[in-house]
Amino acid sequence: DTGVSQDPRHKITKRGQNVTFRCDPISEHNRLYWYRQTLGQGPEFLTYFQNEAQLEKSRLLSDRFSAERPKGSFSTLEIQRTEQGDSAMYLCASSLASPRTGGREQYFGPGTRLTVT
Amino acid sequence: AQSVSQHNHHVILSEAASLELGCNYSYGGTVNLFWYVQYPGQHLQLLLKYFSGDPLVKGIKGFEAEFIKSKFSFNLRKPSVQWSDTAEYFCAVIANNAGNMLTFGGGTRLMVKP
Repeated sequence: DTGVSQDPRHKITKRGQNVTFRCDPISEHNRLYWYRQTLGQGPEFLTYFQNEAQLEKSRLLSDRFSAERPKGSFSTLEIQRTEQGDSAMYLCASSLASPRTGGREQYFGPGTRLTVT
Repeated sequence: AQSVSQHNHHVILSEAASLELGCNYSYGGTVNLFWYVQYPGQHLQLLLKYFSGDPLVKGIKGFEAEFIKSKFSFNLRKPSVQWSDTAEYFCAVIANNAGNMLTFGGGTRLMVKP
């Protein structure tokens, strides 16, 4: 399967701990997105990269959140000093921005479910 | 900022019934529109999309959606649902001059009774 992959699929952590999630996009996709989805809601945008450059960040992304895509391939999302309100599904998506496609079709991974106790 | 509304949170239908799920967005400029589906235990999958041209777009599994610009709507339809269509459906928008992020509606959970 060459779709978007995310690791881990589930993470349980205690409040105050740091967690890091990884996303591997579809090969050759140059855009990578992070979203957060809470129960009963649609996904909400957090941030996105084009290659290694982080181009947009949502106001939802507090100072405790940081994302990187150091070589323009996989990405990591780190949450420091986790809070119970951070419990959610963290989704990664990727797209290919080209003159033909414009990069608007985003393909999603299975998500990482974070539970903060 | 743009927003997306899906007014039906839960829909229950019997097999072979027709389906229409409402989606309205608030943005005055050019938009790209999407429907995603999430089957139980699976990840979000793109069902269909509208970028430009014919406002009636056809997607996978017999789904279609119609973009009505004057109503800011992009409703999803299927003439005859199957039990396997049981899933959560999300409408989403990209506003063309407001970045590349998808703005999602709250989702509609569809249950099809066999």
